[in-house]
Order: sequence, then structure tokens, then C-alpha cells
Amino acid sequence: GDSVTQMEGPVTLSEEAFLTINCTYTATGYPSLFWYVQYPGEGLQLLLKATKADDKGSNKGFEATYRKETTSFHLEKGSVQVSDSAVYFCALGRAQKLVFGQGTRLTINP
Amino acid sequence: GAVVSQHPSWVICKSGTSVKIECRSLDFQATTMFWYRQFPKQSLMLMATSNEGSKATYEQGVEKDKFLINHASLTLSTLTVTSAHPEDSSFYICSAKDRNGRNEQFFGPGTRLTVL
Repeated sequence: GDSVTQMEGPVTLSEEAFLTINCTYTATGYPSLFWYVQYPGEGLQLLLKATKADDKGSNKGFEATYRKETTSFHLEKGSVQVSDSAVYFCALGRAQKLVFGQGTRLTINP
Repeated sequence: GAVVSQHPSWVICKSGTSVKIECRSLDFQATTMFWYRQFPKQSLMLMATSNEGSKATYEQGVEKDKFLINHASLTLSTLTVTSAHPEDSSFYICSAKDRNGRNEQFFGPGTRLTVL
């Protein structure tokens, strides 16, 4: 069945550092791919998405490219801020169902 | 817009009792709501899909008589954990899909259930 594997955390970086959180998936066909972010005390929020191979999703300085050849959807940001501290979830979606990775806790220190 | 609330945010109950968790879409109508369960340091696992006015569809391995889901209106779904046991302790999260076109799930903040 469908599955998502993402980089284990926690990840701790200094402000303005470059961020990569790896995400790979196993699925048949062409699912949509998502990154969700969960800030403390809040629900998951959609950060970005891509619906087909080679699509790049972007939002708030974050980017991820749907790579079918490597079955990956790595999250990147060129310069992180303290406010980016949160838990990040990679997910794939098919027929309105979402399958999530285990989440990566990111802490950004000033 | 697109706010989903859950109530309560946390609950402690005794083994053998039943607990009801509410999920509300505050500023949109949701024909479809989803219930997830999250164990510590693990991903969200879909438990069931709830459609307004019809029976919920449960994922494989989820006991429908244990986890009762009612989606009585376009803004409210409830999850009742019946005869709760310590192994039911978990973080329960709901999401809702806007009936008016936005093809996206909006998530509630979750409910922490602890069964003693």
C-alpha cells in the first residue's frame, strides 16, 4: 500500500541556515504530494502541494519538487527563521485520503 | 477562513467509560470529515471518513463499534470512544473538507485522550 517516509527529527538549526527535510514515498500511479506544518497548539496547515511529476510547490519561502524518478518530495528553505519552528508532515493524497509521514520536529535557534 | 475546532482539547477518563469528541467546521460547510489517530512520534493514521447524512467508512483494522462516528450536520462530526481502555489513549485529530470546491482538508487542533 501507499506509504511515506520522512527524515527523522528533531532537527535543530540556527536562524538563516538552509533547511532540507527529506521525504520519500511508495505508491502506485500518480498521487498528489503535500507538506503540512503544525505550529504548537494548532492544527495541521497545508504548506504546499504538487499534483504531478516535476511540479514545484512553494509557499512562505519553502519549496518542494515532485520527483517521480526518485519518488521524493523534499522540503527546502534557503534561510529559516525562528518562526519556522514547528512539526512538518509529508503526505501523499489519493481519492481524498491522505497518508502521512511520521513528522519532523524543527527547532530554529536565534 | 477554514477554521476547524475540536472539543475537548484534552480529556481524562476511567477505563470502561465512553468519551465523545466533537469536530466543528466554524466558517464553512463540510460534507466530508476525517478522523485520525496519532501515536507519540508517529504519523497520523486515518481511522474513518465521515460523510454528512450517511454511515462512516472505516479503515481496515478500525473497530466501528468501538469508535462511533456521527456526522449529523454539515458543520459537526462526533467521535465516541466506547468502553475506553488505556490502549485507546492517543491524540485524535479531525479534518474537514469544504463542500464548496476547495479541494483541501482543514485540520482541527486535536484532542488528547488519556484513559486511566
